[in-house]
Amino acid sequence: QSVLTQPPSVSGAPGQRVTISCTGSSSNIGAGSDVHWYQQLPGAAPKLLIHGNTNRPSGVPDRFSGSKSGTSASLAITGLQAEDEADYYCLSYDTSLSAFWLFGGGTKLTVL
Amino acid sequence: QVQLVESGGGVVQPGTSLRLSCAASGFTFSSYGMHWVRQAPGKGLELVAVIWSDGSKKYYAESVKGRFSISRDDPENKLYLQMNSLRAEDTAVYYCARGRGHTTDGYFDFWGQGTLVTVSS
Repeated sequence: QSVLTQPPSVSGAPGQRVTISCTGSSSNIGAGSDVHWYQQLPGAAPKLLIHGNTNRPSGVPDRFSGSKSGTSASLAITGLQAEDEADYYCLSYDTSLSAFWLFGGGTKLTVL
Repeated sequence: QVQLVESGGGVVQPGTSLRLSCAASGFTFSSYGMHWVRQAPGKGLELVAVIWSDGSKKYYAESVKGRFSISRDDPENKLYLQMNSLRAEDTAVYYCARGRGHTTDGYFDFWGQGTLVTVSS
């Protein structure tokens, strides 16, 4: 069980908006650690989608946006497209005794 | 352009060893921390090991501590993961990834395509 909790699955129709949550604790997101998001298409390596809570790398469409508040963060995808169907993971640094980077358990996005 | 190419995966028996390599190109390898991340079949991502850009610090997931060792050869632009006493639960695709930032702001910006390690008798 991941310390960063994501919903196992979300779904939406083309054109709709969906959000994926990443819930942490006072030792990671709540301690001020940044949250980063990755997209993993079937059979491919993860790809950086959002870094530093809200920043999109060059080439990532502005349909993808990130936010952070308290001990949680969210990834929002607007104007959903069939090609967005993938697994999404959040990442943050945990400052507890076993300090390390942690991934959320992942969320499968299905485009209906 | 940044490229990371892993190699060295394969099918091995429990208790044996394997060394993974990651060849880096397209950036100044010695300036970046590097990471190994694994993904068991049908499962999520797990950070396995981290090495600082100057090699001064190395960190390991609890699940591999004492069995795996991360190292780097900056003149050759290569990252390594020495895996000893392999277990069935180490079966996964292993990715190398380039690090950015430090700790609380750190993340991985480029990933290789991965190499599959299967531990089975």
